Amino acid sequence: EAQVTQNPRYLITVTGKKLTVTCSQNMNHEYMSWYRQDPGLGLRQIYYSMNVEVTDKGDVPEGYKVSRKEKRNFPLILESPSPNQTSLYFCASSSYTTYEQYFGPGTRLTVT
Amino acid sequence: AQTVTQSQPEMSVQEAETVTLSCTYDTSESDYYLFWYKQPPSRQMILVIRQEAYKQQNATENRFSVNFQKAAKSFSLKISDSQLGDAAMYFCAYRTPTQGGSEKLVFGKGTKLTVNP
Repeated sequence: EAQVTQNPRYLITVTGKKLTVTCSQNMNHEYMSWYRQDPGLGLRQIYYSMNVEVTDKGDVPEGYKVSRKEKRNFPLILESPSPNQTSLYFCASSSYTTYEQYFGPGTRLTVT
Repeated sequence: AQTVTQSQPEMSVQEAETVTLSCTYDTSESDYYLFWYKQPPSRQMILVIRQEAYKQQNATENRFSVNFQKAAKSFSLKISDSQLGDAAMYFCAYRTPTQGGSEKLVFGKGTKLTVNP
C-alpha cells in the first residue's frame, strides 16, 4: 500500500529536550516536505527536499532541522524545542509527474 | 509571493443539498496546480480534487466539482448531494510545477464545513 508514515503520532516533551519525528514514504517520490498546522493559520511549510542531500527552507524554518540521506526518509529534528513549537506536524511527499502531495497521518507535538 | 485566501471560515449545509466553498489566490505564474484537500476529525489530509491551470475544463470527481476562473484567480469547490461524511475542514492549496526548483504547497486557512441531518 502506497503511504507516508510518521512516528510518533503523539509526543509530549519538555522545553529543550531534543527530539526527532521520523517520516518515511514507499512511493519512490523525489519531493518531501514538512508542514505545521496551527488553528487559524492553515498549514505552513517548514522545510522541503527535492531529492537526496538536497533540502531547503520553507516559510517557518526557525528552530527546526532536517536531513535527507535516503530517498524514502525525511526526519524532522527539533534540537531545543520550545512551547511555541506545540503544533500538529505533517510530512508529505510527491513526484515530478503528479504534483499532488500525499500526506502522513500527522504528529501531535506538545512542548511544556 | 503566492497567497491563497478562503474567505469563509465556516459553512453549513443540509444533507442532500449543494454547497460551494470559495477560494481565491494570487500569483504571477501562468502554469500551476490547484487542489482541494479535506481534513476530517481524524486529521488525515485527503486530496479531494486537483486542477491544472492550463486546462480550461473544470475538474470533477463524483459529487465534487470545481469552478476554475483563471482570469479572476478563483477556484471554488462545489459539493453536490452533501453527506454527513463530508463534514470536515477543507483547504484550498496552490502549487507551481517547478521541476528541480522550489517545491511548495501554499494553503489557505481553511473552511470548516458542517453538514446538518
